[in-house]
Order: sequence, then C-alpha cells, then structure tokens
Amino acid sequence: GENVEQHPSTLSVQEGDSAVIKCTYSDSASNYFPWYKQELGKRPQLIIDIRSNVGEKKDQRIAVTLNKTAKHFSLHITETQPEDSAVYFCALKGDSTLTFGKGTMLLVSP
Amino acid sequence: DVKVTQSSRYLVKRTGEKVFLECVQDMDHENMFWYRQDPGLGLRLIYFSYDVKMKEKGDIPEGYSVSREKKERFSLILESASTNQTSMYLCASSLGLAGDYEQYFGPGTRLTVT
Repeated sequence: GENVEQHPSTLSVQEGDSAVIKCTYSDSASNYFPWYKQELGKRPQLIIDIRSNVGEKKDQRIAVTLNKTAKHFSLHITETQPEDSAVYFCALKGDSTLTFGKGTMLLVSP
Repeated sequence: DVKVTQSSRYLVKRTGEKVFLECVQDMDHENMFWYRQDPGLGLRLIYFSYDVKMKEKGDIPEGYSVSREKKERFSLILESASTNQTSMYLCASSLGLAGDYEQYFGPGTRLTVT
C-alpha cells in the first residue's frame, strides 16, 4: 500500500511551547490527510483533517498544513498543555482505506 | 454518539489455539476495519469489510481471517495463534470508505499468545 513516513518518533516539549510533527508520502494521488490522537490507554480519535484542495486548516490550537508539491503535511500544536501528551498518527487515503504513519509520542512537561 | 465495542480488553491464549476477536458498532456503519498496533509500527490494516459478507485484505492479512455475517458485527479470527501475533488489536468503523468519513475506533483488545 501507500507509504507514509512520520517524524519525529518522540517529541518532548515544555508546556506553552509549540510542537510540529511532519509526514511525507510518495503517492501524488493522495487527497485526504487526517490526524488521529491516541491518549495513553485510550482509542485513537480524529482531531483534524485536510483535503488536497486547501493548504492549511486550523482548529483552535491545532493546525495542519499541506504541501502537495513537496508531498508532506504537518501537524502544528501551539501553546501546548499537559493534556496534549499522547501519540499522534498521521494518515492518508490510499485506494479505499487509510494508511497510517508509525506515530509520534508527544510529551508535554509542566 | 458512535460506539464501537470489542469483546475483550485483555486476552491470553496459547500457541495453536483458535482465537476469535469480536467487534460491534451501533451506528449502522457500512465499513469496518481490523488493525493491529505495535510499538514503533503504528496502525497496520489486517482486513476490512465494506458490506455484509464482503471482505478485503489489508496490508498484513497473513495468519488472519474475518467474518461479517451481520452489518454491526465484524470478527477477526486467528486460526492457529502464534507468539508473533501478540499485539493490540483495534477495530474501527466508518460510514463510508477513506476520504469521506471519519473512522471510529474501539477500545482495543490486548492479545498475548504464550
């Protein structure tokens, strides 16, 4: 299936800092890019998504940017809080299903 | 509110046993998915189903089979469990296929094969 590379695998920040997670892909036909958050011991949940006809989407403290030419998309979290600590997965649409990145563990220290 | 439930949170089985993992969703979703989650490997798709009695292989179907006899229920079967199938198994459902509809995940079943 489609391949997606996610970096970094772990990210530690201080409360109030910004965090950025980046994913790169190879199939130029991909047109849907969601991000899921999985808190410790809980199920993954969709937090934001973007489609290929837009370059950026914001929802309060989180934003996603997409560069289709360079084939990468990023999750930006501003003013991080301890409750942002979780594993974040990027994903993209393949033929009919999602392909997920390997995840980034974000730790926000008070 | 979408609810996806899985039959067990924790399961311990012996090598060679036949194992059934069940998933039920209550939102009349057409599509259901089985993933396994391993540290450092993310979520990998095992099988999915877009309709009753229909199934499609995902990226890692070897050693697994599935059954969907009713719309709300999707079962994952390990015909002969092996230690390398020790993992967290996540079920998900969505109204449509990828790109148009959010996937809703169950709480997961942590399977240990000894």
